[in-house]
Formats: sequence, structure tokens, C-alpha cells
Amino acid sequence: SQTIHQWPATLVQPVGSPLSLECTVEGTSNPNLYWYRQAAGRGLQLLFYSVGIGQISSEVPQNLSASRPQDRQFILSSKKLLLSDSGFYLCAWSVRYGYLDFDTEAFFGQGTRLTVV
Amino acid sequence: GDSVTQMEGPVTLSEEAFLTINCTYTATGYPSLFWYVQYPGEGLQLLLKATKADDKGSNKGFEATYRKETTSFHLEKGSVQVSDSAVYFCAPTGGGNKLTFGTGTQLKVEL
Repeated sequence: SQTIHQWPATLVQPVGSPLSLECTVEGTSNPNLYWYRQAAGRGLQLLFYSVGIGQISSEVPQNLSASRPQDRQFILSSKKLLLSDSGFYLCAWSVRYGYLDFDTEAFFGQGTRLTVV
Repeated sequence: GDSVTQMEGPVTLSEEAFLTINCTYTATGYPSLFWYVQYPGEGLQLLLKATKADDKGSNKGFEATYRKETTSFHLEKGSVQVSDSAVYFCAPTGGGNKLTFGTGTQLKVEL
């Protein structure tokens, strides 16, 4: 069966420090991968998505970057964190299917609560 | 691109009350429609889905019908419980490599 692992679950980092959040998927091949951020009491903001190794699309200009070094690994990074980077980060995957080219349902990790202090 | 309009919350109901959370969408192609639920401190999980017009998705007493003519996918439950308290997200998936979510509707169910 397919599973998704996201870590760490919680993280407290000082302003200006680097960030690396990792997400790995098991049990599927060539998934679409996503990073979302959820500010307190708000909806999901799509940050990055990837349809293949080394292919990253950025949705919102910001202090973050993403990489996909392997098919089932997705990493969210920052060189210098800002206070505004605090939030709940969610990794997700889906599989594209069909000639109409749309996604199946999405599967989410448990999330990382990032607090920048 | 795809977009979703979801009713704003929070929605506060008494236990056993009837629930409706409205969702309308715009999407290219022939989208599937999904409702996800997020319990406190967790990621999202699929609640129900419908893959074509007039399909009804259902799970845990929740239902939603794919209405192509009104581009809607409203979530309903006849009798809510305290354990249903969560945030609910509507999401169409059409072509385009990315999943679009509504802003989420927080539901609070009180005794």
C-alpha cells in the first residue's frame, strides 16, 4: 500500500537559520508531489508542485525552494527563515491517470508545524 | 485555471443538527470532485469523491452530489456529531498538474 512520510512533526527555528523539510512516498511510482502551507485558521496555499524528478513549479514567490532529487522524495528548503515562514506545512502526492490527464485523490502527510522565533 | 469558492466558517452547530457546506467550482476538462477533512493537528484525508456528473459521493454519513449544471458539490450530513468537528475542504481536480483547494470551512459541533 502507499504511504507518505513527512518529518519532522514539529520544528522551532530561529530567524535567519536554514530549513529542510523532507517528504517521501512509498508504494507508487512517478507521483505528482506537492508542498502546501497552512497559516493558522486559514486554507491551503500551494507552494510547489512537481510532476517528475528535477521538475519543480513554484506557485508563489517567497523565501522557500523545493527540490526533487529522487522520484519519491520532495524537499522544502530555505537558506534564511523569516518570521512569516511560520505555519503548518503539508506534503501531498497524487497520481495522474487517464487520457483526460487529471489527478486521482491526494494523499497527505501528517504535516510539520514550523515556528520561527 | 481551476478555482473553488467555499462557504466561510466557522460553522457552529448543535449535535444532531443538519449540515450543509456549500462549494462551487470552475475547472477545465472533466474534473473529479473531492471533499477532504482535516482534524486538529493533522494532514488532510479524503472524505468522499464523485467522478462524473450526477454521481453522489458518501462516507460516514456525509454526502455530496456532483452538479455539473450548477458547478457545485455541496457537502451535507443529516445529523452531525461532536466528532465531526474539523475543517472541510472542497477540491476539484481537472487538468493542469496541481490540486486546487477551497479555503476550508471550520465546523464546530457542540453538545
